Amino acid sequence: KQEVTQIPAALSVPEGENLVLNCSFTDSAIYNLQWFRQDPGKGLTSLLLIQSSQREQTSGRLNASLDKSSGRSTLYIAASQPGDSATYLCAVTKPPSNTGKLIFGQGTTLQVKP
Amino acid sequence: DADVTQTPRNRITKTGKRIMLECSQTKGHDRMYWYRQDPGLGLRLIYYSFDVKDINKGEISDGYSVSRQAQAKFSLSLESAIPNQTALYFCATSDIGSEKLFFGSGTQLSVL
Repeated sequence: KQEVTQIPAALSVPEGENLVLNCSFTDSAIYNLQWFRQDPGKGLTSLLLIQSSQREQTSGRLNASLDKSSGRSTLYIAASQPGDSATYLCAVTKPPSNTGKLIFGQGTTLQVKP
Repeated sequence: DADVTQTPRNRITKTGKRIMLECSQTKGHDRMYWYRQDPGLGLRLIYYSFDVKDINKGEISDGYSVSRQAQAKFSLSLESAIPNQTALYFCATSDIGSEKLFFGSGTQLSVL
């Protein structure tokens, strides 16, 4: 059974710091991996999606990497800002095709202090 | 206006009551999903629908039922609510051929 784990559960950093969020999964047979952002009172917003054949994706200050063989993904946030404070969730989709049936980690709650 | 709208935003109910959570979308997507989130846990899939005539159980469907009234509407029912169904419920949509999910703002349900 696929399990997704995110460590740490919470992280607090000063503004301007570069940081890395970690995601691990037990079964390397994935279709894709996504990183989401969750703000209180709002739904999840998709940040980055990495196909199983890809190694990384970038969007602005965000960079997500994927190492299927080791069952790991990282989300790198450069020059963090207070507006980055949120909960970040990773999720994997099992093959053979995308069905929207995601398996989520429990999330990392990030606080960026001014 | 939000593309994926969930109603109500908050609901408190009592054990044994029947309750319905509603989701409507203006994105024109065929696929719709219901997930629940418990504190400290990730989201888990309850039910999903790939079109109006297609309904499928997810990981944790026991105690829940769904209805796809139209392409744009997907409702989740708790036939007889119990306290461990207290959670944050999310509706999501996706388009055929797209891997991106769009989520509603969630319904916080408390069962006393």
